Amino acid sequence: EVQLLESGGGLVQRGGSLRLSCAASGFTFSSYAMSWVRQAPGKGLQWVSAISASAVTTYYADSVKGRFTISRDNSKNTLYLQMRSLRAEDTAVYYCAKGFFRVPTIDFDIWGQGTMVTVSS
Amino acid sequence: QSVLTQPPSASGTPGQRVTISCSGSSSNIGSNAVNWYQQLPGTAPKLLIYSDNQRPSGVPDRFSGSKSGTSASLAISGLQSEDEADYYCAAWDDSLNGHGVFGGGTQLTVL
Repeated sequence: EVQLLESGGGLVQRGGSLRLSCAASGFTFSSYAMSWVRQAPGKGLQWVSAISASAVTTYYADSVKGRFTISRDNSKNTLYLQMRSLRAEDTAVYYCAKGFFRVPTIDFDIWGQGTMVTVSS
Repeated sequence: QSVLTQPPSASGTPGQRVTISCSGSSSNIGSNAVNWYQQLPGTAPKLLIYSDNQRPSGVPDRFSGSKSGTSASLAISGLQSEDEADYYCAAWDDSLNGHGVFGGGTQLTVL
């Protein structure tokens, strides 16, 4: 079964750090770009970051650039999002999502169930 | 404020045809494929339409997508109660070294 399973969310203080993980199974992880998308409580979807299949290329939303780092370990079939200098506005459910191609796009055919990140002030 | 503009709400009665619009610019919709997602309450989004007008396997043909210039539309025909959900358009944006953008979402109510 094709599956993405996020973990690592939780409650963190403003200015703190957190690392999210996304374990993939059921497909050739190393062949596809991966992304993180978040959704603040009661709000819409916001694209956060993407990484190419080979991890050579990364992209970030302006709102997280310089604070978040996306990475992947193709030997472990795992995607990561290192989050630093967290702000209240980073509070959201964070989804990892699988792209169609090796290069990042925004067509995601597989989504995880999401992990909640709450930044307290 | 989202880069892609959608109406915040839409509604229709069972059996009716409903369309949801998505307006962007030359750097996103005008030069890249548009995708549509459906999000039922409390669940992760689901890909509904990709590459402007393609349906993934399993998506009913009641759902269709179209694009013209810097605007796109999602049409749902034969509206059913289970179609009540939030719908989001999305596209890659070539500005600022490239990034993804979503519309603000449209909440569809089946009356």
